[in-house]
Amino acid sequence: AQSVAQPEDQVNVAEGNPLTVKCTYSVSGNPYLFWYVQYPNRGLQFLLKYITGDNLVKGSYGFEAEFNKSQTSFHLKKPSALVSDSALYFCAVRDHNTDKLIFGTGTRLQVFP
Amino acid sequence: NAGVTQTPKFQVLKTGQSMTLQCAQDMNHEYMSWYRQDPGMGLRLIHYSVGAGITDQGEVPNGYNVSRSTTEDFPLRLLSAAPSQTSVYFCASRRVLQETQYFGPGTRLLVL
Repeated sequence: AQSVAQPEDQVNVAEGNPLTVKCTYSVSGNPYLFWYVQYPNRGLQFLLKYITGDNLVKGSYGFEAEFNKSQTSFHLKKPSALVSDSALYFCAVRDHNTDKLIFGTGTRLQVFP
Repeated sequence: NAGVTQTPKFQVLKTGQSMTLQCAQDMNHEYMSWYRQDPGMGLRLIHYSVGAGITDQGEVPNGYNVSRSTTEDFPLRLLSAAPSQTSVYFCASRRVLQETQYFGPGTRLLVL
């Protein structure tokens, strides 16, 4: 079965420092991977996706993610964190058999001034 | 475009009551789905639809019904609410051949 894992419940980082939010996946076939962000009391917003092509994917708000097939990872990164980046981040994978989107449990990012 | 809209934003129910959570999208998306979000469990798929007249069960369908009479609307019905259904519910939509899914703002449901 397809699945994603987000090993960290929370990530803390100082403003201006680089941030990484980790995601690993388990799929059969080529993975379709996504990152979504959820701000307090809001719905999920799409950040970026990997379907095929370059392993480094650039998305909204200065975020990027690196697809690593050998490590089955799709970590979310940003070179310089902002306090406004504080939110809940979800990694997701498309299940090719059912066409459903399967989400990880989420990682809360806290950026301190 | 309004995107994906959900009503109500917040609802309190007593055990055994019924209600319908409304979801609508104005993007002509074929695929619509309902998720529930619970702490530490991420988002779990309740029901989904690939087009008008077609619905199917997701991960956690028990206690919920759906219908899809039009492309735009995808209501979620709780026939007899239980405290275990206290959650935040999100509706989402996308085109069948596109991967990006768009989410509504959510409905927070409390069942007493």
